[in-house]
Amino acid sequence: NAGVTQTPKFRVLKTGQSMTLLCAQDMNHEYMYWYRQDPGMGLRLIHYSVGEGTTAKGEVPDGYNVSRLKKQNFLLGLESAAPSQTSVYFCASSRTGVSGANTGELFFGEGSRLTVL
Amino acid sequence: AQSVAQPEDQVNVAEGNPLTVKCTYSVSGNPYLFWYVQYPNRGLQFLLKYITGDNLVKGSYGFEAEFNKSQTSFHLKKPSALVSDSALYFCAVRDIYGGSQGNLIFGKGTKLSVKP
Repeated sequence: NAGVTQTPKFRVLKTGQSMTLLCAQDMNHEYMYWYRQDPGMGLRLIHYSVGEGTTAKGEVPDGYNVSRLKKQNFLLGLESAAPSQTSVYFCASSRTGVSGANTGELFFGEGSRLTVL
Repeated sequence: AQSVAQPEDQVNVAEGNPLTVKCTYSVSGNPYLFWYVQYPNRGLQFLLKYITGDNLVKGSYGFEAEFNKSQTSFHLKKPSALVSDSALYFCAVRDIYGGSQGNLIFGKGTKLSVKP
């Protein structure tokens, strides 16, 4: 009964380094999301996916790339990390409702805390 | 553009007293509204949602929310607060524009502190 699993949970990077955050869900959900959470800013959507092989930009996509090669996995990449990308990153998933859109009931991972020095 | 606002950064309540966490929304058409809770060092958890129908929506952990169309509000309530309710609460609205696939737009969050 894992739900949504994120790895790693913590990471420290130097400016200019690259890394990938992995999200895996075992609920067969179509929709997957990457958010970042910053103090006083709430959650902001970085990228999302509506199914295997598809991705789309959210509110704050610059500096990030994503891939969804398998339905259960959604990867978030930082090609050249910057201090402004210091944040807590959350992955989430949701199933498709009868209308074909997501239900709005998101299942979140525990978060990945990234520090860029 | 659709949005939600949570006017209070923090709400302090004594255990056993009723609690209210406020949320107002700005949408065109009928809103789909949600509440989520985040406990320390955890991901968000879905509490409840309003789609249509009864204005009083019941959710997890004894929480409920009242949809008020005239005041464009969706306040979260609980009759008797517990210390364990202390957490960060997020209101959200579903975005129905621009091919967004119904992505959620979150408020900035309200920290609820329940003291014994």
